[in-house]
Amino acid sequence: AQKITQTQPGMFVQEKEAVTLDCTYDTSDPSYGLFWYKQPSSGEMIFLIYQGSYDQQNATEGRYSLNFQKARKSANLVISASQLGDSAMYFCAITDTDKLIFGTGTRLQVFP
Amino acid sequence: DVKVTQSSRYLVKRTGEKVFLECVQDMDHENMFWYRQDPGLGLRLIYFSYDVKMKEKGDIPEGYSVSREKKERFSLILESASTNQTSMYLCASSEGQLANYGYTFGSGTRLTVV
Repeated sequence: AQKITQTQPGMFVQEKEAVTLDCTYDTSDPSYGLFWYKQPSSGEMIFLIYQGSYDQQNATEGRYSLNFQKARKSANLVISASQLGDSAMYFCAITDTDKLIFGTGTRLQVFP
Repeated sequence: DVKVTQSSRYLVKRTGEKVFLECVQDMDHENMFWYRQDPGLGLRLIYFSYDVKMKEKGDIPEGYSVSREKKERFSLILESASTNQTSMYLCASSEGQLANYGYTFGSGTRLTVV
């Protein structure tokens, strides 16, 4: 069965600094996808970035990049130049056939 | 703008009541999902559906049932609400094979059972 582990319940970062949110996973499937979602205090889930297991390049979307290390089964999210609006819960997820298995989340707080 | 709509943002119900949480999507997606979100536990899958009148149990189906009579609507039913079902409930939908963006989520229903 697929499993996602997020070991950081909370993280702090100063505005304009970069921050890395950790995500490790466990799967026996050769083909899978990894997702990161952001959940602000308003509650909606916002898709950030996707990495396929066969993708040769690490995914990037604006200030978000994914540090994908397949052999180590890790898919860390890097947010560059943090902004106050980045304060939110962040969830990592892995595909399991046509559904997603989520981690427990990391609460990021950005301070001025 | 494509959307998943959950009928209530906040709901307060009494112990023992039958509770219906409604979810409607306008994207003609085949797959729909119900998760509950609790602090420290992340999102846990309750039930999902890959087609009309079809349902599959997720990881925590006990105390819940679902209904999917039409493709666009997926209802979560708490047969007899209990205080341990106080939680945030998230509905999501997706295409037949998870696209690169994964799910489209509703805005969530925060249910309190008193």
